[in-house]
Amino acid sequence: NAGVTQTPKFQVLKTGQSMTLQCAQDMNHNSMYWYRQDPGMGLRLIYYSASEGTTDKGEVPNGYNVSRLNKREFSLRLESAAPSQTSVYFCASSEAVDEQYFGPGTRLTVT
Amino acid sequence: DAKTTQPPSMDCAEGRAANLPCNHSTISGNEYVYWYRQIHSQGPQYIIHGLKNNETNEMASLIITEDRKSSTLILPHATLRDTAVYYCIVRVISGTYKYIFGTGTRLKVLA
Repeated sequence: NAGVTQTPKFQVLKTGQSMTLQCAQDMNHNSMYWYRQDPGMGLRLIYYSASEGTTDKGEVPNGYNVSRLNKREFSLRLESAAPSQTSVYFCASSEAVDEQYFGPGTRLTVT
Repeated sequence: DAKTTQPPSMDCAEGRAANLPCNHSTISGNEYVYWYRQIHSQGPQYIIHGLKNNETNEMASLIITEDRKSSTLILPHATLRDTAVYYCIVRVISGTYKYIFGTGTRLKVLA
């Protein structure tokens, strides 16, 4: 039982490049989330998926797209990376609105 | 969701109880108090939550004042591994999937 896994762990992009961050959970949770955490800050919600087939914007959705591929997987895409998107990205899952379980994070640097 | 106020940092001697305060003076009647912690740069970890009664689990105790305007997370016998940033969050438990993380309290447990 791995919980929530994220790939890659680290990534460096040049401005304008695109990439997809992958997230998978094996707890059969309905809800999944993407957060970003900037240095010295709390987490901010980018997008969430309350259930398979649905996605909704969080606090800071601009510059990102998401796909809920199936119940297990929720991906985050940066179409044209900008230095302001340098951050640590966390994926989480939960059973409905219960407590959330977080992955280990992806550290992204955009130069 | 109501806003929370936490001290930016606290120290605690190893083996002693760590008492982490949180002010949520604008909390609504249907909002729960949640606590998470983030050890180093890992993903946040759920600790405990409550509505108005005091709660205890294997990790911690949560004491909520009678007027619900503040709460205290108690780690009964702090260890060095409890050094982390602790986040107090208030949220409605039904109808929303969103957490708003503040900047939390950085707890340092001293040997």
